[in-house]
Amino acid sequence: DQQVKQNSPSLSVQEGRISILNCDYTNSMFDYFLWYKKYPAEGPTFLISISSIKDKNEDGRFTVFLNKSAKHLSLHIVPSQPGDSAVYFCAASANNNDMRFGAGTRLTVKP
Amino acid sequence: DTGVSQDPRHKITKRGQNVTFRCDPISEHNRLYWYRQTLGQGPEFLTYFQNEAQLEKSRLLSDRFSAERPKGSFSTLEIQRTEQGDSAMYLCASRRGGDNEQFFGPGTRLTVL
Repeated sequence: DQQVKQNSPSLSVQEGRISILNCDYTNSMFDYFLWYKKYPAEGPTFLISISSIKDKNEDGRFTVFLNKSAKHLSLHIVPSQPGDSAVYFCAASANNNDMRFGAGTRLTVKP
Repeated sequence: DTGVSQDPRHKITKRGQNVTFRCDPISEHNRLYWYRQTLGQGPEFLTYFQNEAQLEKSRLLSDRFSAERPKGSFSTLEIQRTEQGDSAMYLCASRRGGDNEQFFGPGTRLTVL
C-alpha cells in the first residue's frame, strides 16, 4: 500500500538554484513527516522533519512545507549545492509508530 | 556514540542457505527497527522492537524471517532457506521512545545467487 508517494523519480537543478522535492500521502492519520537523504552505499540520514501542527519548518538551507488539506509536503533546498546530490526519501508516521517511506527522488545538482 | 552499526555490510549466499544479520543500535535508544529496501524503492518496514519485546511485524516478514533482540540491545535478523527474491538491502534503525526521528545504520546488502 503506497501511503506515501514521491512521483518524481529524479530532479536535476543548477548549483545555486532552488530544489523542490514533493511528496504526497494518503493516510490522514499521519501526524509527523520526515525527510531523509541517502548517499550510495550508506543508510538514510535524517535531514529535517515537521509535525502536523505546523505548516513550515526551516533549518538552514532546508525548509519543509506541509499542506494538510492537500496531503502534500515539499522540501526546499536553497541554494542547492553539488554535495546535495543524493536520493531524498519522504517518510510519515502516525502516533509515534513505524514510518512509511516514499520511493525516493534522486536529486542531481549540476555545478 | 558511533551511531547504528550493522554487520556484515555485504553478504552473498546461495539459494537455500540461512543468513543472519546483526544490528547494534545507538546505546540509549530503546526502539529498534528493521527495514528492507530494493532498487528504486524506499525502505519497507519489516518489524520493530521496544526493548526486548517485538511489538509489530509486517506481512512482508514471512515465516522464513525471524528477528530477536534478546537483551534489549543488539538485534539479529535471520532468513532461513533464502530465495533470490530476498536479495535486497536490509536496514536497521533505532530511536528513543519519545522521539520521532529514526537513525539508520549503513545496511547489509544481501545477494542470493
